Amino acid sequence: GEDVEQSLFLSVREGDSSVINCTYTDSSSTYLYWYKQEPGAGLQLLTYIFSNMDMKQDQRLTVLLNKKDKHLSLRIADTQTGDSAIYFCAEALRDYKLSFGAGTTVTVRA
Amino acid sequence: GAGVSQSPSNKVTEKGKDVELRCDPISGHTALYWYRQRLGQGLEFLIYFQGNSAPDKSGLPSDRFSAERTGESVSTLTIQRTQQEDSAVYLCASSGVRNSPLHFGNGTRLTVT
Repeated sequence: GEDVEQSLFLSVREGDSSVINCTYTDSSSTYLYWYKQEPGAGLQLLTYIFSNMDMKQDQRLTVLLNKKDKHLSLRIADTQTGDSAIYFCAEALRDYKLSFGAGTTVTVRA
Repeated sequence: GAGVSQSPSNKVTEKGKDVELRCDPISGHTALYWYRQRLGQGLEFLIYFQGNSAPDKSGLPSDRFSAERTGESVSTLTIQRTQQEDSAVYLCASSGVRNSPLHFGNGTRLTVT
């Protein structure tokens, strides 16, 4: 089974905030990542957070990390149609290998 | 180069044929990874190269799969006697210093008929 779990689908209205949730299992993970994949493209790094941080903000993106519950979330403020994509959560295992979730497909509706 | 480059972008092959996929990492990146992405699924780790160290091949699904890397440059992933279940997008990624994020190529979409 997956070490990293995410909900598979999220539908959000344009202009609203999106929140994508992820749980992971390896408490020794040093970094946790969010990647975005648009159709036919590879994965684009959106943001990442070091395990000793609780929060990281980067423009419209806010990452929250609850290390006790092994829960990671990505909030996208003012969601736009260009934000429609698959979002992958990943944890760094043993400092080099990444374990990915199955991805959350975000659909932005007008 | 500006990013990770993979070729071909699409490959259609007949069952039983061998295929070779190529990855050009970002110049100076010492680490190189291959992942497989089946339709609608997450990424499955295949193999990892770090400098001149022995590669981590723990994710290769069978002995039909192999990969090589020349120094800190190009890597090739070879699949022998392809099967229909090998159909997937094969993604290559590279990274620089330890713990730095992975940068992905656009992948090779392999279809085995």
